[in-house]
Amino acid sequence: GQQVMQIPQYQHVQEGEDFTTYCNSSTTLSNIQWYKQRPGGHPVFLIQLVKSGEVKKQKRLTFQFGEAKKNSSLHITATQTTDVGTYFCARRGTSGTYKYIFGTGTRLKVLA
Amino acid sequence: NAGVMQNPRHLVRRRGQEARLRCSPMKGHSHVYWYRQLPEEGLKFMVYLQKENIIDESGMPKERFSAEFPKEGPSILRIQQVVRGDSAAYFCASSPRGNEQYFGPGTRLTVT
Repeated sequence: GQQVMQIPQYQHVQEGEDFTTYCNSSTTLSNIQWYKQRPGGHPVFLIQLVKSGEVKKQKRLTFQFGEAKKNSSLHITATQTTDVGTYFCARRGTSGTYKYIFGTGTRLKVLA
Repeated sequence: NAGVMQNPRHLVRRRGQEARLRCSPMKGHSHVYWYRQLPEEGLKFMVYLQKENIIDESGMPKERFSAEFPKEGPSILRIQQVVRGDSAAYFCASSPRGNEQYFGPGTRLTVT
């Protein structure tokens, strides 16, 4: 269906370690968005990927869209305590709808 | 440039009362989304509106819930005859083109 699965659900890392979260869909995606939500906060838009195989970087964050446009990943290099939060991917609903479907999220904890 | 505003930030209602949640989008944004989030869970799409029009309400319960986005003034999410199960955080997001979304701080609704 339209669901997006994210793995892992939780991740604890030592500060300085890398972190990756994956977003998988059973159907082809028109685009994929990534958001970050700090504990007690609201989601903040990070990026949108549209093209097959696209790779975008924002400082220590690297976003990738799969060649088949069915999966995406977010990789953080050398995590810092400020990276703590839940990372969500979001896909547009099926053609003809305007809603966005959010993934289950990956909760990241960074141990100092 | 003010971000998305939501009020109230916290709302307590007794069972059977009405809850009215307000959302003022960012300046120049004519697309508004409403989401519901339970603790430690993802965001569930409720409704997507443009000025004076409901575009997609497929995520909204058929009864007791309604939304509007008038020509003038904020978008309103109204929940009539609230029940304990309505307790959640309700986020609105605005968008300039219906793609990337900018979220407000949310309204935490508690039904006693």
